[in-house]
Amino acid sequence: AQKVTQAQTEISVVEKEDVTLDCVYETRDTTYYLFWYKQPPSGELVFLIRRNSFDEQNEISGRYSWNFQKSTSSFNFTITASQVVDSAVYFCALKTDRGSTLGRLYFGRGTQLTVWP
Amino acid sequence: DAGVTQSPTHLIKTRGQQVTLRCSPISGHKSVSWYQQVLGQGPQFIFQYYEKEERGRGNFPDRFSARQFPNYSSELNVNALLLGDSALYLCASSRLTQLGEGRTGELFFGEGSRLTVL
Repeated sequence: AQKVTQAQTEISVVEKEDVTLDCVYETRDTTYYLFWYKQPPSGELVFLIRRNSFDEQNEISGRYSWNFQKSTSSFNFTITASQVVDSAVYFCALKTDRGSTLGRLYFGRGTQLTVWP
Repeated sequence: DAGVTQSPTHLIKTRGQQVTLRCSPISGHKSVSWYQQVLGQGPQFIFQYYEKEERGRGNFPDRFSARQFPNYSSELNVNALLLGDSALYLCASSRLTQLGEGRTGELFFGEGSRLTVL
């Protein structure tokens, strides 16, 4: 079974602080894909980053960076120098390569990030 | 290019009624998926359609049904509404050109249809 756990329900930071959102996943598949989505109050899920199970290289993209560790089944997401506009609900999601569930995303419960000015 | 569009954006129904939600995918996208997001939870997979055929179904009762049209737009129908069906219904499209291809690609979501059942 596939499962995504986001233990942090809410996080509050002050602008310019760095913040890390935690994500732990479970899957028996050897090939899978991990995603982070942002959901502002408008409701639309905005794609942020994707990582493949066979590529553990961690990268930085602007103020975003992620730490993918297969050994601990974690896929954490960091926002550097947070801004008020970063306030939203952030979802970690998992997609596997099984034909029967092709295209199906398994989401965590989300982390509400509030950035105060 | 237009993103994924959904209609209506908000609607209120009473228990026992039926509802139809509509989704237009991004131009060129042949796969459409539906998700239900209850307040405070992550989205839950309902259906995936590709080339007008159902390719996946989540753990939802038969009251939920969907279809995809030749232009790749899609409708989600929910019959005999219950209070627990109140949620944000999200539609997503992806650039699948054949089954198996594009599986690494991301889903593009619309802003959703917020259904309230009274």
